[in-house]
Amino acid sequence: GAVVSQHPSWVICKSGTSVKIECRSLDFQATTMFWYRQFPKQSLMLMATSNEGSKATYEQGVEKDKFLINHASLTLSTLTVTSAHPEDSSFYICSAIRAGEAETQYFGPGTRLLVL
Amino acid sequence: AQKVTQAQTEISVVEKEDVTLDCVYETRDTTYYLFWYKQPPSGELVFLIRRNSFDEQNEISGRYSWNFQKSTSSFNFTITASQVVDSAVYFCALIRGWDTGFQKLVFGTGTRLLVSP
Repeated sequence: GAVVSQHPSWVICKSGTSVKIECRSLDFQATTMFWYRQFPKQSLMLMATSNEGSKATYEQGVEKDKFLINHASLTLSTLTVTSAHPEDSSFYICSAIRAGEAETQYFGPGTRLLVL
Repeated sequence: AQKVTQAQTEISVVEKEDVTLDCVYETRDTTYYLFWYKQPPSGELVFLIRRNSFDEQNEISGRYSWNFQKSTSSFNFTITASQVVDSAVYFCALIRGWDTGFQKLVFGTGTRLLVSP
């Protein structure tokens, strides 16, 4: 299979703090990873595309200085929510593409962020 | 532009009933891929199927079946003899073929399926 993990699965933080979420491809190398945000009862919205060794590409309306993405290796991408506020509370999901299967994204289990 | 429409917001059925989830897509590309994902209450997206635009064969996998009709731009999903464990949100999604360059996965708004005992 193609397994993607995320850590942590749950995080609660105070307003103003920064939170880092990790996304790992466990059994394959992922040159491209994606970060999505999903608010309750809504669909997934792409936030950014992360390519190994290069800067992330952000979707329109997503603040790149607030949502820092780093893709340092072929198996790890991190999303840091800086100075988190209650409106950043959401379900963050990453996905990864496996070589030779570029059309299919394998999703991580998601991270629920609650900012108090 | 790419667009996926799931007109059914929520469907409620009783166990053992058959249920069909509709998906209509819009694209101008000749090469594209369609997907169905299941999202149970835990939140994790579960990949169900991928279909490319050149393969209109319907597919059956256990109680699941998919009907791809290019003529109507639809990719409907049927669950036969539904079970309580089928309760989840189901997303249909579309991505352009990679021969046209890097593209994004476009999701529909999802259909929430509630299967009661």
